[in-house]
Formats: sequence, structure tokens, C-alpha cells
Amino acid sequence: KQEVTQIPAALSVPEGENLVLNCSFTDSAIYNLQWFRQDPGKGLTSLLLIQSSQREQTSGRLNASLDKSSGRSTLYIAASQPGDSATYLCAVSTGNTPLVFGKGTRLSVIA
Amino acid sequence: DAGITQSPRHKVTETGTPVTLRCHQTENHRYMYWYRQDPGHGLRLIHYSYGVKDTDKGEVSDGYSVSRSKTEDFLLTLESATSSQTSVYFCAISSDRGDNSPLHFGNGTRLTVT
Repeated sequence: KQEVTQIPAALSVPEGENLVLNCSFTDSAIYNLQWFRQDPGKGLTSLLLIQSSQREQTSGRLNASLDKSSGRSTLYIAASQPGDSATYLCAVSTGNTPLVFGKGTRLSVIA
Repeated sequence: DAGITQSPRHKVTETGTPVTLRCHQTENHRYMYWYRQDPGHGLRLIHYSYGVKDTDKGEVSDGYSVSRSKTEDFLLTLESATSSQTSVYFCAISSDRGDNSPLHFGNGTRLTVT
């Protein structure tokens, strides 16, 4: 059974800092991995989707990497801003099964 | 934003009463999902649908049923609500399953069972 872990559960950084969020998964036979953002009281917003054949994806200040062999993905946020404060979740798909989610990292960017 | 509407947004109900939550999409996506989100457990899949009248169970399906009579609507029913079903329920859609299609979420329904 696929398990997804995100450490740390919470992170606080000063504005302008570059930061990395971590995601690990137990079954490396994944189809794709997705990163989401969730603001309080809201649903999840898809940020990046990495296919199993890819090593990374970029969108603006966000860069997600994938290392299937080690069962790890990282989300890099450059020049963090207070508006980046949210909970970030990763989720993996193993093909014919729906996504399995991690519990998220709650990020606070302090002005 | 993907066209997903969940109703109601908030509901308080008593133990033992039936409850139906509705998810409506305007994207004509084939796949629809119901998740619940609880502190300490994260997001857990309840049921999903891969087409009209085609549904399957997820990780935490006990006590829940679903129906999909039209592409755009996916209903989640709690036959007899219990306090353990107090949660935030999210509907999600995708154009494909496990392929290159991201998942899009509604804004959730906060259900309280007293």
C-alpha cells in the first residue's frame, strides 16, 4: 500500500528566503506526482504535476523535482512571499488507483 | 478555476439522519471523487466515479454511498449520519485517471453531526 509522508508538518520562514518542502513515498512504481496548495477554508489548487518519466517541473517561482528510485520529491519555492503562506500537499498516483495524499506541510512566511 | 460547485457549503445535522452532499461540474470531466479531510488523517478517498453509473469504493467508504446519474453531478449520501462523519468533504474532478491530468477540487462542505 502506497504511503506518502511530508516532513516537516509545519515550517516558518522569513520573507525572501528560498525554501524546500519534502515529500517521500514508499512505492516507487508511481505514474505521476502532484503538488497542491490549500488555503484555509478552501479546496486544493493544483500547482505542478510531474510524470514518472520526468525529473522536474517549473512554474514561476516553484520548481518540483522527482527522484523515483529514492521515493522522494521536493518543492522548491524561490524568494518566498507572505502570500505563499498555505498548506502544501503532495500526492502520488500508481496508475489505476486514485491519488494517495500526504498530510501536508503548513508554511508560514513572515514579513 | 475549474467549474466545480459543492452544496451545501455548511451543514449541521443530527445523528441518525440521512444527508446528501452534491457536487456539480461544468467541465465535462469523466472522473469525479469524494474525499474527506480530517486533522491528523489528511485527505482520504471515500468513493469515486469513472463515468455515469460507474462508481467504486475508496479507502473509507463504510457508511457512505454515491450516485452519478449525469456526467455533471456526483452525489454523496450518508445513510444514517454518525458523529465520526463530522468532517470537511471535498469533491474533485479530473479528465483522466492517473494520467497527465491534474485533480481540481471544489471548496468543500463542512458537515457537523451532533
